Amino acid sequence: DAKTTQPPSMDCAEGRAANLPCNHSTISGNEYVYWYRQIHSQGPQYIIHGLKNNETNEMASLIITEDRKSSTLILPHATLRDTAVYYCIVRVAGDNFNKFYFGSGTKLNVKP
Amino acid sequence: DADVTQTPRNRITKTGKRIMLECSQTKGHDRMYWYRQDPGLGLQLIYYSFDVKDINKGEISDGYSVSRQAQAKFSLSLESAIPNQTALYFCATSDPRPGTDDQPQHFGDGTRLSIL
Repeated sequence: DAKTTQPPSMDCAEGRAANLPCNHSTISGNEYVYWYRQIHSQGPQYIIHGLKNNETNEMASLIITEDRKSSTLILPHATLRDTAVYYCIVRVAGDNFNKFYFGSGTKLNVKP
Repeated sequence: DADVTQTPRNRITKTGKRIMLECSQTKGHDRMYWYRQDPGLGLQLIYYSFDVKDINKGEISDGYSVSRQAQAKFSLSLESAIPNQTALYFCATSDPRPGTDDQPQHFGDGTRLSIL
């Protein structure tokens, strides 16, 4: 049970912002939203995470709606190297550690 | 992530053989995990460990065993490999951020295992 819904694929022009949506309508108040990406056959790479406030780091920005039922990952200036599968993950509450359920993700194709 | 190293990177073997996949980390994390990934699917948790004395089964532990030899080392074994264990295997580490229960996981680059 991935607890999140993402579109299977998206296209983005190189240099433009890539906005990847994620729905997590059953999220609990103490659950974080994490984003990872996986470039072909490599290990998943941590991007960013947040609880309720918007977050920004050197890789991306995370916008979480006020009701926390959805979020958007923003890559401000996509490059060809950003082509990857992006996973939105809600950490499962109730465990005393953080079990990550990776669903099918969104395949982002950055085109020249 | 060069801080989490998996060996071997690729392995082809035959049904019935015993296989060991190794993971070592220099991040100083207490928590380590083994996942498998099948083509076109997400990751499934096999085993996880909070520290050297703690081992726990994940969703798909049947047919697998693990050993936590030290804080930095966590190995996965297939006692008698079967073809449906052909997959990409990932090791990951994590530790809670101080004062929170928030802990991103950091992954190795995986072991591609093929069982004929």
